[in-house]
Amino acid sequence: SYELTQPPSVSVSPGQTARITCSGDALPKHYGYWYQQKPGQAPVVVIYKDIERPSGIPERFSGSSSGTTVTLTISGVQAEDEADYYCQSADNSGPYVVFGGGTKLTVL
Amino acid sequence: QMQLQESGPGLVKPSETLSLTCTVSGGSISSQHWSWIRQPPGKGLEWIGYIYNSGNTKYNTKYNPSLKSRITISGDMSKNQLSLKLSSVTAADTAVYYCARESGVVVPAAPVGYFDYWGQGTLVTVSS
Repeated sequence: SYELTQPPSVSVSPGQTARITCSGDALPKHYGYWYQQKPGQAPVVVIYKDIERPSGIPERFSGSSSGTTVTLTISGVQAEDEADYYCQSADNSGPYVVFGGGTKLTVL
Repeated sequence: QMQLQESGPGLVKPSETLSLTCTVSGGSISSQHWSWIRQPPGKGLEWIGYIYNSGNTKYNTKYNPSLKSRITISGDMSKNQLSLKLSSVTAADTAVYYCARESGVVVPAAPVGYFDYWGQGTLVTVSS
């Protein structure tokens, strides 16, 4: 079955830039979306259509896409950004919704 | 402001059927896709399936192929609710179950959208 691959963990110090990647063969054809999930809460979309930021999401969150990889970038990381981040896209068969395995962002 | 609220038993016995309902307020299930998504404790998100209104009171569905044989998702427009039934459950089906609205679907350019509204989630434990 189709998979989106994310690093299990990323660690950064406050004020630094965090980059979380998501790789999948179908990404050149389908948009990538990103969610932030804090403990005990439902996920919140922070990036949609590869690069778009929903209203209410801080400008330090940005997205990019290149070939089979989409990337979530958090510039000037703050302690409150510590969370799990999931990418989401589609496979080429259904197409069906697919989630990446998630990346735990730790703010040192 | 749209709100989604899942409800149903928190404990289901192995081999039985898990049944959940999602009540939507501040919006209508007559438009867009409405999904069920689950998350086992300490693990990642898994899409279960969605319904969408294909006209009048009819709903079409799409299911995760890995779960398709055990899933039924239905909608009740009069109550603005969607429901999930998952049969023959095992301990592996223990998870927080979310309902969510999918936005941004544009056929054929973007056949899969993103989830902009979620319920708070409900934990279902499969145990005897």
